Amino acid sequence: NAGVTQTPKFRILKIGQSMTLQCAQDMNHNYMYWYRQDPGMGLKLIYYSVGAGITDKGEVPNGYNVSRSTTEDFPLRLELAAPSQTSVYFCASSQRSSGGGELFFGEGSRLTVL
Amino acid sequence: AQTVTQSQPEMSVQEAETVTLSCTYDTSESDYYLFWYKQPPSRQMILVIRQEAYKQQNATENRFSVNFQKAAKSFSLKISDSQLGDAAMYFCAYRSYLQGAQKLVFGQGTRLTINP
Repeated sequence: NAGVTQTPKFRILKIGQSMTLQCAQDMNHNYMYWYRQDPGMGLKLIYYSVGAGITDKGEVPNGYNVSRSTTEDFPLRLELAAPSQTSVYFCASSQRSSGGGELFFGEGSRLTVL
Repeated sequence: AQTVTQSQPEMSVQEAETVTLSCTYDTSESDYYLFWYKQPPSRQMILVIRQEAYKQQNATENRFSVNFQKAAKSFSLKISDSQLGDAAMYFCAYRSYLQGAQKLVFGQGTRLTINP
């Protein structure tokens, strides 16, 4: 009963380093998303994907890149990490639906950039 | 662009009492969905309740119900018989009815404390 799995759960980076946050879902969902949650704030959309090979920018895409080579995986790449990218990152997925489809979230990845 | 506002950063309630969390939103669309998500200390985001804007009847899920006022663009969450396990951050979220990715726009959240 895995759902949406994110790795790593915690990471500390130095300014200028790069890393990839991994996200995998086993529900065969079409849609996948990356959100970031800053302290005391709601979630903001970074990137999303409507299917393998298709990605698009969300509200706060600068400093990030994504790819979607398979239905299951949606990694988020941080290039040249900056302190402003210190946040908790959530991956989510949902099924294509004309209704109010529910998003299923991972447990989050806490990233600190020093 | 749509915006969601939660004007109560923190709320507290006595166990077994009722509490209402407020949410307002701004949109020019006539059809959309609204959600309340719960985020306990574990950080896991859990769907509490959803409302379709084209439905006049307020959604209810056990002890959780909403007061949806479309004209006022208001979507409050009522928690009855509050339990210690209800303590969490609560986020209101908006989703456009338009086809495409089901992107959510979140409010800033309300931290709910349950006093025993």
